[in-house]
Amino acid sequence: GAVVSQHPSWVICKSGTSVKIECRSLDFQATTMFWYRQFPKQSLMLMATSNEGSKATYEQGVEKDKFLINHASLTLSTLTVTSAHPEDSSFYICSASGQGFQQYFGPGTRLTVT
Amino acid sequence: AQSVTQPDIHITVSEGASLELRCNYSYGATPYLFWYVQSPGQGLQLLLKYFSGDTLVQGIKGFEAEFKRSQSSFNLRKPSVHWSDAAEYFCAVGPSGGYQKVTFGTGTKLQVIP
Repeated sequence: GAVVSQHPSWVICKSGTSVKIECRSLDFQATTMFWYRQFPKQSLMLMATSNEGSKATYEQGVEKDKFLINHASLTLSTLTVTSAHPEDSSFYICSASGQGFQQYFGPGTRLTVT
Repeated sequence: AQSVTQPDIHITVSEGASLELRCNYSYGATPYLFWYVQSPGQGLQLLLKYFSGDTLVQGIKGFEAEFKRSQSSFNLRKPSVHWSDAAEYFCAVGPSGGYQKVTFGTGTKLQVIP
């Protein structure tokens, strides 16, 4: 099946700094990528949807200036958490879909802000 | 608004025993329903999906699920659980149009004991 990777798998950063998370579709072209956030013992919450070459569409309540999403190519999307604070600590998961529309999920990135 | 309820946060079964994970949904029209499995360090993997037609859906790894409109349920079953099935299972519902904008339940963690 299609493979989606995320890098890094785990990152620790200091409060006030920015951190970038990469999401790559390894063997298919992803026209759409999704970013989710998952809190412990909770569900995946969709943060934003991005189409290659277009601005991301953010879900209600998600600060687009804080969570910058770039989908510059058909195989790469990035999520940058700007001026991170401890409350941004979470598990971030991306998914990618191509022409078949099925979402393929990455393994996730655990962000810890100290 | 669409929503998904997984009433069981944690389930423990013996290896070889049968399994049923419950899922109830709320959606105004005919839903698209999914079951995903999440193993540590791995992305969500689609087990099966229901779009239309036969209400008993077969998936990968020996799983099946039955769509019951009258009960707004989409329970996941497996006749004989293997130790490798230990993971977290998510039910999800989406609008017509397929995979995009799905809403996930809070997940059920399955523990398998020898």
